Amino acid sequence: DIQMTQSPSSLSASVGDRVTITCRASQSISKFLNWYQQRPGKAPNLLIYAASNLQSGVPSRFSGSGSGTDFTLTISSLQPEDFATYFCQQSYSSPPTFGQGTKVEIK
Amino acid sequence: QVQLVQSGAEVKKPGASVKVSCKASGYSFSDFYIYWMRQAPGQGLEWMGWMNPESGGTKYAQNLQGRVTMTRDTSISTAYMELSSLTPDDTAVYFCARDKVVGGTCDYWGQGTLVTVSS
Repeated sequence: DIQMTQSPSSLSASVGDRVTITCRASQSISKFLNWYQQRPGKAPNLLIYAASNLQSGVPSRFSGSGSGTDFTLTISSLQPEDFATYFCQQSYSSPPTFGQGTKVEIK
Repeated sequence: QVQLVQSGAEVKKPGASVKVSCKASGYSFSDFYIYWMRQAPGQGLEWMGWMNPESGGTKYAQNLQGRVTMTRDTSISTAYMELSSLTPDDTAVYFCARDKVVGGTCDYWGQGTLVTVSS
């Protein structure tokens, strides 16, 4: 199975900050990388698919980049509703696997 | 609008089985795979398997083989996930999700179903 490792596991930031989360795959996954946001008690919500494609309805402050083994999710200007946990997930090969999550907290 | 609505919370004893339903609306049920994931308390997401609603074909996570069964009733656009021989380690929130493109990009999710296994 492909292992997905996110960093950091948590971070504290203020409204308006630029936030970057990193995801590394244990082998090359081309651009088969998705990002999800999960608020407490809710289901995950797809933000970015295929590494850099913004899902319909997702604010443009979210962006994704990378290919191969290294990927980044960037929030350009953190908003109050963005405090949540973010997961990366590879869809390159079965089984699909998730990172352990990055919790974004209010500073 | 696309919606996936799951059945309610369950409490089960060790050794029992649980069956969770996932009713789809707002799109053609047969056109998109349904994935099932679970999330233990305070933990990350674990893929359990997928089902092709058109053919009924399935693929399950290796660690759940023999205990999990995914089925569907196309007449009511509903997918089911049944997990047997439950242990406390199966306590989790179970999610169904629609696969946007075959491979596991899930664009719509059910609200989740908490399954608690306790004696």
